[in-house]
Amino acid sequence: DSGVTQTPKHLITATGQRVTLRCSPRSGDLSVYWYQQSLDQGLQFLIHYYNGEERAKGNILERFSAQQFPDLHSELNLSSLELGDSALYFCASSVDKGGPDEQFFGPGTRLTVL
Amino acid sequence: AQSVTQLGSHVSVSEGALVLLRCNYSSSVPPYLFWYVQYPNQGLQLLLKYTSAATLVKGINGFEAEFKKSETSFHLTKPSAHMSDAAEYFCALNSGGYQKVTFGTGTKLQVIP
Repeated sequence: DSGVTQTPKHLITATGQRVTLRCSPRSGDLSVYWYQQSLDQGLQFLIHYYNGEERAKGNILERFSAQQFPDLHSELNLSSLELGDSALYFCASSVDKGGPDEQFFGPGTRLTVL
Repeated sequence: AQSVTQLGSHVSVSEGALVLLRCNYSSSVPPYLFWYVQYPNQGLQLLLKYTSAATLVKGINGFEAEFKKSETSFHLTKPSAHMSDAAEYFCALNSGGYQKVTFGTGTKLQVIP
């Protein structure tokens, strides 16, 4: 158990819909990262938040957005969903004090868009 | 710009044989390097990390990796493969001050009985 929790575990929805994925980082970790993992694209970095502020953006679509709240949990919002958005979405957290901190990954949310 | 290249998306070894998973990196500053493992339907977990303290790094489950600056490599090895090692392995690089981590494309390890 990494200490990172993600809800829900599974999500099935239809094209055009909007969903919200939730992540709670490990206690004390200030950074939250979101990744998308699919068979054809592999593991793709989406976005990084540090203590409530966006720190870095990766291959995140404009239809996707994220935020980190004062209690440090984070939400990833996916809208106007397409079939190709079906994937595993991982959240990771780290202490992020400028050193070589490892990222601790949650169990993921499997999104299926029908 | 930093990058990570994992050679071989699939590697098969016999049980008891040497495991060698290759990772090469590109970084304009001294890098921090990581190997993660992902078992089916699970998140990634850290196997080991290189932080410049020692070039040979020992990790969990008998894995180790050697940092070779001259070859810009950080290959993962295990002397004797076990069936439970079957998983996907990711090499990752952090060469930024703000945890900008780049992951490789992953190598799926199959262990044949």
